[in-house]
Amino acid sequence: KQEVTQIPAALSVPEGENLVLNCSFTDSAIYNLQWFRQDPGKGLTSLLLIQSSQREQTSGRLNASLDKSSGRSTLYIAASQPGDSATYLCAVRPWHNNDMRFGAGTRLTVKP
Amino acid sequence: SQTIHQWPATLVQPVGSPLSLECTVEGTSNPNLYWYRQAAGRGLQLLFYSVGIGQISSEVPQNLSASRPQDRQFILSSKKLLLSDSGFYLCAWSVKVDEQYFGPGTRLTVT
Repeated sequence: KQEVTQIPAALSVPEGENLVLNCSFTDSAIYNLQWFRQDPGKGLTSLLLIQSSQREQTSGRLNASLDKSSGRSTLYIAASQPGDSATYLCAVRPWHNNDMRFGAGTRLTVKP
Repeated sequence: SQTIHQWPATLVQPVGSPLSLECTVEGTSNPNLYWYRQAAGRGLQLLFYSVGIGQISSEVPQNLSASRPQDRQFILSSKKLLLSDSGFYLCAWSVKVDEQYFGPGTRLTVT
């Protein structure tokens, strides 16, 4: 059974810092991995999708990497801003299956 | 562009009452549809998914049920709510097994 872990559970940084959020998964037979952002009381916003054949994806200040063999993904946020404060979740989808597994998330606070 | 709607946004229901949450998607055809629950302090749990009209797969045994009466409509129901049904319910869609997009969610409180 796929287990997804996100470390740390919470992170507080001053504005302007570069930071890395970690996601690990136990079964490397994944179809894709997706990073989401969730603001309090809101739905999830898709940030980046990495297919199993890809090593990384970039969108603006965000860069997500995937090392399938070691069961790890990282989300790199450059030059953090207070508006980046939110909970970040990663999720993995197995091959030919709709059972997407989510981590518990990392709650990020960027202090002005 | 595609949009996904959920209603109601918030709901307070007594134990034993029925439930009906609705999700609709616009701007796409034959999407995969999903219902998730996010309980306080816990991750998202997949409850149901559907790959087509009338096709529902259940991931977790519970007193909830789902239906897909139309291509872009997904309904989550219960005949009798339990206290443990409280949580944040999220609907999502995807094209096949591609990127998932989530709705704004419904906050359900069972009293």
